[in-house]
Amino acid sequence: DVQMTQSPSSLSAYVGDRVTITCRTSQSLTSHVNWYQQKTGKAPQLLIYAASSLQRGVPSRFSGGGSGTEFTLTISNLQPEDFATYYCQQTYSTPLTFGGGTKVEIK
Amino acid sequence: EVHLLESGGGLVQPGGSLRLSCAASGFTFTDYAMIWVRQAPGKGLEWVSTISVSGGRTYYPDSVKGRFTVSRDNSKNTQYLQMNSLRAEDTAVYYCAKDLGGDTGRNIFDFWGQGTLVTVSS
Repeated sequence: DVQMTQSPSSLSAYVGDRVTITCRTSQSLTSHVNWYQQKTGKAPQLLIYAASSLQRGVPSRFSGGGSGTEFTLTISNLQPEDFATYYCQQTYSTPLTFGGGTKVEIK
Repeated sequence: EVHLLESGGGLVQPGGSLRLSCAASGFTFTDYAMIWVRQAPGKGLEWVSTISVSGGRTYYPDSVKGRFTVSRDNSKNTQYLQMNSLRAEDTAVYYCAKDLGGDTGRNIFDFWGQGTLVTVSS
């Protein structure tokens, strides 16, 4: 199984900050990584697919990058509505696996 | 507008069975693969199943293979998850999701339902 290791597991930031979340994988995935946002008590929402493609309707302050075994999700100009938990997911092989999550909190 | 509505969750004893349903609307159901993902209380996300557009191909992780069966009724725009031999570790919110792609999908989950809670306990 492909292991997805997210870091950090949590972070605190101010509104307006730029934050970066990293996902490291146990094998090379080319660009087969997606990112989701989940707010407390809500279903996840797709933000980024295929490592860097922005899902329709998602604000442009979200961006994805990386390839191979290291991928990043960057939120520039953090907004109050961005405080949530973020998950990476690999689509390279079954079983499909997710990272453990990164909780972004208000400082 | 895409809408996915799960139902069928509840409390079940270990070893019991439950069938979840996911009613879809707002898109052409027969064009997309469908998925189930679960989330144990306070934990992360776990993929549970994928079913192809025709329903002829299904995929599961080892944790549920042989116990869970996914199916779909394209005439009713509904997918199902039959869960047998339930264990305490199956306790979770179960989400239905739509794949971005057709046939067997692209494993990109672009719309999700609000989830239904399954609790396995005596």
